[in-house]
Amino acid sequence: QVQLQESGPGLVKPSETLSLTCTVSGGSISGYFWSWIRQPPGKELEWIGYIHYSGSTNCNPSLKSRVTISVDASKNQFSLKLSSVTAADTAVYYCAREVPTPYYMDVWGKGTTVTVSS
Amino acid sequence: QSALTQPASVSGSPGQSITISCTGTSSDVGGYNYVSWYQQHPGKAPKLMIYEVSNRPSGVSNRFSGSKSGNTASLSISGLQAQDEADYYCTSYTSSSTRLFGGGTKLTVL
Repeated sequence: QVQLQESGPGLVKPSETLSLTCTVSGGSISGYFWSWIRQPPGKELEWIGYIHYSGSTNCNPSLKSRVTISVDASKNQFSLKLSSVTAADTAVYYCAREVPTPYYMDVWGKGTTVTVSS
Repeated sequence: QSALTQPASVSGSPGQSITISCTGTSSDVGGYNYVSWYQQHPGKAPKLMIYEVSNRPSGVSNRFSGSKSGNTASLSISGLQAQDEADYYCTSYTSSSTRLFGGGTKLTVL
């Protein structure tokens, strides 16, 4: 079955750019939305944004100016870049597959912890 | 966009039933039948429990059910079991084509 795996640095310095990749195995990128969600320690889930396999994107208005989501279909991967990070961006970052209409996330990665600290 | 409103906590004894509410607006929960619910155990990734307001994915117990009235969606769990103790999150599609999570509800099985 489809599995997702997040990868990237676990520690990022303030003001730098957080970069994560999600690798999709057991299935194709085609036909789905691919999302990023984060969860600060002890807090709720926060939707970051998605990329459709066609390349169209949308993201949380509160993060829009700092977020870039891209897809590499040839590698079955999609990526997140979050610029100008602060301690408030410290969180577990999840990638997930979303089924188009009716829009639900049926497959999740295990999550990766990113800490913003100097 | 503000998070959907969920109670911070609910509790119930084994065998009992509980309901968790998720309140939004006509721009999200009330405007679309695209509400889903996720269960999250500590240190684990969320797991899909309900989609499209009331549909259960294959493998999810029929003790879990969902409904919606107006701007409020609800998740009900009957015959509470110890393994149901977890955090539960609702999420909705919005009129801006974004997604909105609820603040989460901690379910305690007494």
